[in-house]
Amino acid sequence: GAGVSQSPRYKVAKRGQDVALRCDPISGHVSLFWYQQALGQGPEFLTYFQNEAQLDKSGLPSDRFFAERPEGSVSTLKIQRTQQEDSAVYLCASSPIGLSGSYNSPLHFGNGTRLTVT
Amino acid sequence: AQKVTQAQTEISVVEKEDVTLDCVYETRDTTYYLFWYKQPPSGELVFLIRRNSFDEQNEISGRYSWNFQKSTSSFNFTITASQVVDSAVYFCALRAQGGKLIFGQGTELSVKP
Repeated sequence: GAGVSQSPRYKVAKRGQDVALRCDPISGHVSLFWYQQALGQGPEFLTYFQNEAQLDKSGLPSDRFFAERPEGSVSTLKIQRTQQEDSAVYLCASSPIGLSGSYNSPLHFGNGTRLTVT
Repeated sequence: AQKVTQAQTEISVVEKEDVTLDCVYETRDTTYYLFWYKQPPSGELVFLIRRNSFDEQNEISGRYSWNFQKSTSSFNFTITASQVVDSAVYFCALRAQGGKLIFGQGTELSVKP
């Protein structure tokens, strides 16, 4: 079966441009996470969805970052007025279980979108 | 606060050597899960193992083994007889209340032929 798919694989944006990053989770997966991974660092949590509900957005670094999952499947991470510090790999992960269940379920990660802001 | 520390930034070994990757975690929760992920150059994070806070049994899977010690808050990972294909960045991660996965900084393992 298909894994988590992210597009585009690479994105170059000029400072000030808006970007949209897409995540297609594994079909039927309830939970969806976005992470930001700077060069040489571990992934940092951005936001979490359970179906279409955004239950945790505590990791979003500023109000320029916005995520949605309107039908509980595909998710989009939007960054407005990009800055150089936004350059990173953005990882999406999904899990078949919601937070009300056991959270020992491993997350399944996509290959990420590498965003470079020039 | 919850935190994962991987003190080793980079490790370089020669093929067939054994190597241990260290992981120390902090959490106030009594129920939590620990994970190891591998990130090859392709970028995808590959799940290797999980362990819950109530199960301190060590585990061996082929050339991989894990040593969980609650008393020292450590969850170390050993690769026996390393191979070039083991070269990657390895992340230790903690999942507790709230459900988000918290990662360490990662250890870059380089296995030379």
